[in-house]
Amino acid sequence: GDSVTQTEGQVALSEEDFLTIHCNYSASGYPALFWYVQYPGEGPQFLFRASRDKEKGSSRGFEATYNKEATSFHLQKASVQESDSAVYYCALSALRGKLIFGQGTKLSIKP
Amino acid sequence: DMKVTQMPRYLIKRMGENVLLECGQDMSHETMYWYRQDPGLGLQLIYISYDVDSNSEGDIPKGYRVSRKKREHFSLILDSAKTNQTSVYFCASSPGTGKRNTEVFFGKGTRLTVV
Repeated sequence: GDSVTQTEGQVALSEEDFLTIHCNYSASGYPALFWYVQYPGEGPQFLFRASRDKEKGSSRGFEATYNKEATSFHLQKASVQESDSAVYYCALSALRGKLIFGQGTKLSIKP
Repeated sequence: DMKVTQMPRYLIKRMGENVLLECGQDMSHETMYWYRQDPGLGLQLIYISYDVDSNSEGDIPKGYRVSRKKREHFSLILDSAKTNQTSVYFCASSPGTGKRNTEVFFGKGTRLTVV
């Protein structure tokens, strides 16, 4: 079945560091890809999406580019802030609207 | 204000008891979901509902059932709860039926502990 793999379970950075969280997917079709962010005590929130190869999604300084050949959708941010501390989920849309999530990456930013 | 509301937020049940988790949304979304969240496993889809009485199993439906009698409400039922069903449960909704690139809106979750 379809699946999403996030390489990093936890990432610890200092403010103004560059962020990369790796996301790779396996899907039988041509899925849309998403990033969601989850703050403590809250449900996941939509960050952005990309629907076709080479499309870049972005929001709040975060961005990711759909790479169909590499089956990847890596999240990046040039300069992280303490307020970016959260859990980040990569996800894909499978058949009939099913949204499949990766394991999540906990991002901790030191001031 | 668009939102997904889950009740209760916290629940403790004994093993073997029945559990009802309720979810409502005020956006008239057709599609609703139940997920569970466990450390290291991320969010796993239990059931998806495409509209009233149109439900489909997700990846981990065993031990769960659902009910959707009104578009705005989607319930998750655990008949005879087990300790391995201790988890945080999230309800979610999205517009459209089975559309691949629509945003999904999540509730704040219900933390269920089965002792």
